[in-house]
Amino acid sequence: EVQLVESGGGLVQPGGSLRLSCAASGFTFSSYEMNWVRQAPGKGLEWVSYISSSASTIFYADSVKGRFTISRDNAKNSLYLQMNSLRAEDTAVYYCARAYYYDSSGYKRYYFDYWGQGALVTVSS
Amino acid sequence: QSVLTQPPSVSGAPGQRVTISCTGSSSNIGAGYDVHWYQQLPGTAPKLLIYGNSNRPSGVPDRFSGSKSGTSASLAITGLQAEDEADYYCQSYDTSLSGSVFGGGTKLTVL
Repeated sequence: EVQLVESGGGLVQPGGSLRLSCAASGFTFSSYEMNWVRQAPGKGLEWVSYISSSASTIFYADSVKGRFTISRDNAKNSLYLQMNSLRAEDTAVYYCARAYYYDSSGYKRYYFDYWGQGALVTVSS
Repeated sequence: QSVLTQPPSVSGAPGQRVTISCTGSSSNIGAGYDVHWYQQLPGTAPKLLIYGNSNRPSGVPDRFSGSKSGTSASLAITGLQAEDEADYYCQSYDTSLSGSVFGGGTKLTVL
């Protein structure tokens, strides 16, 4: 059974740092691309970051570029999100989500097939 | 302001049919990228509902269906049930943003 379990959330002051972890099990972690998606209280979903299976390709949303760093340790089946210079608007539940690639008319596309339960990050003084 | 536009809310009586629209642009849906739909029940993580515009993962009832045309997509739910009351999100890829994009979400109320 595929499982994604986030940890590391909590209360942090504006300007502070926090590191989220996502422990994966039930599948070959090193074969899958992974993402972080967040959801502010009462708001919709926002994609945050993507990392390829080998960590050779990384993308960020403009809202976190230069402040957040995604990484992974395939030996430990773990995904990470280092969050620096945190702002009040970063307050959200952060989900890790697995990307599943498929072929669509000759093009590679992906969707998020498994999600963790989420970790709450609150940025407040 | 979400890149993909969804109606904030829809409602319907049990047994009825409702549709939820998802409108994008030439840099995402209109560029040929597929649309995927997720259901989020209160207090839980999102769950994949439709992938590749119109495909249902194993275990998703055939009451749920999806379609795509031009720069828009739609999710249809027939035979509404009380358990369908949830938030629904569309998702695609945006070539100008080099990342995934979501709709703002639609809250479905079963009357």
